[in-house]
Amino acid sequence: QKEVEQDPGPLSVPEGAIVSLNCTYSNSAFQYFMWYRQYSRKGPELLMYTYSSGNKEDGRFTAQVDKSSKYISLFIRDSQPSDSATYLCATVKTSYDKVIFGPGTSLSVIP
Amino acid sequence: DAGITQSPRHKVTETGTPVTLRCHQTENHRYMYWYRQDPGHGLRLIHYSYGVKDTDKGEVSDGYSVSRSKTEDFLLTLESATSSQTSVYFCAISEGQEGYTFGSGTRLTVV
Repeated sequence: QKEVEQDPGPLSVPEGAIVSLNCTYSNSAFQYFMWYRQYSRKGPELLMYTYSSGNKEDGRFTAQVDKSSKYISLFIRDSQPSDSATYLCATVKTSYDKVIFGPGTSLSVIP
Repeated sequence: DAGITQSPRHKVTETGTPVTLRCHQTENHRYMYWYRQDPGHGLRLIHYSYGVKDTDKGEVSDGYSVSRSKTEDFLLTLESATSSQTSVYFCAISEGQEGYTFGSGTRLTVV
């Protein structure tokens, strides 16, 4: 079993839709959770960084962590064509450990 | 990507030749990482460094070596390139608290 699982998609939604991206992880020791966005032919860029369970909001993006079910979510409101990218979830035990990445979900937002 | 550059951006090389990829940072971050990214496998850690001359292996280190003689430079060497090493290589830097910053990647083709 991989440490972080993520549906690879592709996921295609119309502009303006609410997007839900999800990951599961296997190790209850993970404490920090991240979402990275990767545009085609670019490096991943950090989108959201959260600690432990709960929600974190940044503009149209909301990251949600449920440690009891080992479930990580990213919600995108009012999705835009510029949100079309691959989204990678990631997690780590401590802030100085090596990050474990999910394989990524490819998202297309259709105008 | 601000503070981190990879060179070259693209390279085509022949099987059996040595290849060195360079990662240069201006952020003075302690931690540096080399990943490869392949379809169906996501990001896989090759080697990482936690300081000058301090390096360690990741999950796919066979056939690769690294060196870090200065804080700002982390070199990845393919000792004798094989077709299975055709990939996109990403360097990342971290100071531990806020996730990773990735470079723009090097697209390597081994023919």
